[in-house]
Amino acid sequence: DAKTTQPNSMESNEEEPVHLPCNHSTISGTDYIHWYRQLPSQGPEYVIHGLTSNVNNRMASLAIAEDRKSSTLILHRATLRDAAVYYCILRGRDDKIIFGKGTRLHILP
Amino acid sequence: SQTIHQWPATLVQPVGSPLSLECTVEGTSNPNLYWYRQAAGRGLQLLFYSVGIGQISSEVPQNLSASRPQDRQFILSSKKLLLSDSGFYLCAWSVHFGAQETQYFGPGTRLLVL
Repeated sequence: DAKTTQPNSMESNEEEPVHLPCNHSTISGTDYIHWYRQLPSQGPEYVIHGLTSNVNNRMASLAIAEDRKSSTLILHRATLRDAAVYYCILRGRDDKIIFGKGTRLHILP
Repeated sequence: SQTIHQWPATLVQPVGSPLSLECTVEGTSNPNLYWYRQAAGRGLQLLFYSVGIGQISSEVPQNLSASRPQDRQFILSSKKLLLSDSGFYLCAWSVHFGAQETQYFGPGTRLLVL
């Protein structure tokens, strides 16, 4: 049980922002929200994580709803190299990472 | 900096043959180590994890086994491969358990059992 819900796939144009949604209505107060992505024929790579406040790093931004029941991964300017499967994962203190099916992001040139 | 190695990169094995996949991590000590499998077109499935030498936890009962003979070495084995063992095998490491744990994945081994 991945505890998160994501669209199966999304499309975006190159050089435009991409907003990848994730619903996690059963999130508990101590669960962190993590995002990983998996490029074709590679292992997953960490993107970003957060608890309550929005987070920014060199790869992306994470916007977390005030009630924490949803979050959005934001790629500010998508490139063809951002085409990947994006996984939204909840982690509690004693939880293991459980990868769901993720969102397959297609970038159109 | 830390790096993780997996070999071989690809492997084609007949049904019933043994398997040994190796994973090594450099640049860190006492890492948590993980083996995942990803069947074609499917999500990642956690197979084993280890918090220290000789300590192995199995997540899914099957004909695979794991061993950690050294601090930064994790080995996935099978005595007799099945067709259903085909997939993309990924090793990962981390240094902290808990809600903020970040896992770092290796390049993977693509196994085809014929």
